[in-house]
Amino acid sequence: GAGVSQSPSNKVTEKGKDVELRCDPISGHTALYWYRQSLGQGLEFLIYFQGNSAPDKSGLPSDRFSAERTGGSVSTLTIQRTQQEDSAVYLCASSLGRGGGEKLFFGSGTQLSVL
Amino acid sequence: GNSVTQMEGPVTLSEEAFLTINCTYTATGYPSLFWYVQYPGEGLQLLLKATKADDKGSNKGFEATYRKETTSFHLEKGSVQVSDSAVYFCALSGWDDKIIFGKGTRLHILP
Repeated sequence: GAGVSQSPSNKVTEKGKDVELRCDPISGHTALYWYRQSLGQGLEFLIYFQGNSAPDKSGLPSDRFSAERTGGSVSTLTIQRTQQEDSAVYLCASSLGRGGGEKLFFGSGTQLSVL
Repeated sequence: GNSVTQMEGPVTLSEEAFLTINCTYTATGYPSLFWYVQYPGEGLQLLLKATKADDKGSNKGFEATYRKETTSFHLEKGSVQVSDSAVYFCALSGWDDKIIFGKGTRLHILP
C-alpha cells in the first residue's frame, strides 16, 4: 500500500474486555514495530518483528499483551482484559529492515480508550 | 540495555532564535541515531539521521552531529520559524535493529 495503515483509528472499550489492533505495513517492508504513546511518556517500545519473528518482546508491559505477524505482512496487537492504564495511542511503524539506520514509516495510530 | 535521554520540554522560543535540543544515549556498540518530528495533527516522520561517529545529519535547516566521545546527538537550528512548532524525538537503532525513542521535547515558537 501507499503507507502504513492501522485500524481501527479509534477504539473505546470497557475495562476487562479484549481488543485487537491491526497494522498493515508498507509492502516489502520486513521490519515492523509497535509503540505506545502516552502523554508525558514519549514513545514506549513494545515489540518488533523481523519477518514473522519477534527477536525482542521485552517491551510488552504484561502478559495481557501479545502480538503476532503472519505472512511477513499484517500484524495484530492484542490486549486482553484491558485496564484503564492501557489507554494510549498505539503506533505501528515499518522499515525495509536491512540493518541499522533504516527510516521508520509510521501509521496514524489507534487511539485506545478504556472506560 | 540501550537508552535515550533528551531534554524535558516544553521549550518556548521567539521566531528567529537559535535552537538546541539536547539528546544523549547509552548503547552497546555503534548505534545509528535519529531525530523524528511530530507536527500538530500529523504522524511521526524522520527529520534527520546519522549512522556513524562524526557524521552530521541535516534537513530543513536542522542539524545534528553524532558525537561518540560525549554520546550525544544534539539537534540545532540557527533560526527557528513558527512552522517548526512540533514535538521532537531523539531515537537510536541498536545492533539488533531495535529502535528506541526518548520521551520527546515539545517546541513552541512565538511569532
